[in-house]
Amino acid sequence: AQTVTQSQPEMSVQEAETVTLSCTYDTSESDYYLFWYKQPPSRQMILVIRQEAYKQQNATENRFSVNFQKAAKSFSLKISDSQLGDAAMYFCAYRSHNFNKFYFGSGTKLNVKP
Amino acid sequence: NAGVTQTPKFQVLKTGQSMTLQCAQDMNHEYMSWYRQDPGMGLRLIHYSVGAGITDQGEVPNGYNVSRSTTEDFPLRLLSAAPSQTSVYFCASRTGTGGNQPQHFGDGTRLSIL
Repeated sequence: AQTVTQSQPEMSVQEAETVTLSCTYDTSESDYYLFWYKQPPSRQMILVIRQEAYKQQNATENRFSVNFQKAAKSFSLKISDSQLGDAAMYFCAYRSHNFNKFYFGSGTKLNVKP
Repeated sequence: NAGVTQTPKFQVLKTGQSMTLQCAQDMNHEYMSWYRQDPGMGLRLIHYSVGAGITDQGEVPNGYNVSRSTTEDFPLRLLSAAPSQTSVYFCASRTGTGGNQPQHFGDGTRLSIL
C-alpha cells in the first residue's frame, strides 16, 4: 500500500504571511493523483487543490499553490496571504490511476495568528 | 443540492450492540467509500465500492460490513460494537469519469462505544 507522510503535526503562521505544508509519499507507480483537503472545526472535508502526476506544471488555486516534485515524491502546499479562515487541519491524499483507493496523511494542524 | 448525506451525526453505543451508519449520495457517483478518522492517524479506508453490487475491503475492514444494492446508498454495519471502533466515520463518493476527480465527503458521524 502507498504511504503518505505529513511530518509537521502542527504549524503556525501570522495573518497575511505565507506558509508551506509538507507532504511526501511512497509509490512505485508513475501515474497517480495528489490532493490537499482542508478540514475546519466543522469537520467537513473540503478540497483545496489537486495535481495530476503527468503534469509538470504546478497547480494553483487563488492563494493556494503546490510544489510538486515527482522525482522526490514531494507535494507541498503553499498558502499565501494567510487568512484567519485558513485555520484548519490539512490532509494530503494520494490516489493511484488504476485504483479507487485514496491514501491520506496524518494531517497538519494550521493555526493562523491575528 | 444535498451531495453526500450521512446519518446519524452522533451516536453512542454499548459494547456488543449493532448499528448501521447510513450514507446516501444524489450525484449518481459510481464510487463510494467509508473511512474512519482517529486522532493523529488521518483517514483510513474501511470498505469501498466501485458500483452497485460490488464492494471490496480497504485498510481496516475488520468488524465492519457493507453492501451496495443501489447506486445511491452505501450503508456501513457494525455487527458487534467494540470500544476500538470509537471514531469519526466519513462516507465519500466520486464519479468514475476523470482520474483527477476528488472525493466528495459527507459531514461525518461521531460514534462512541462505551
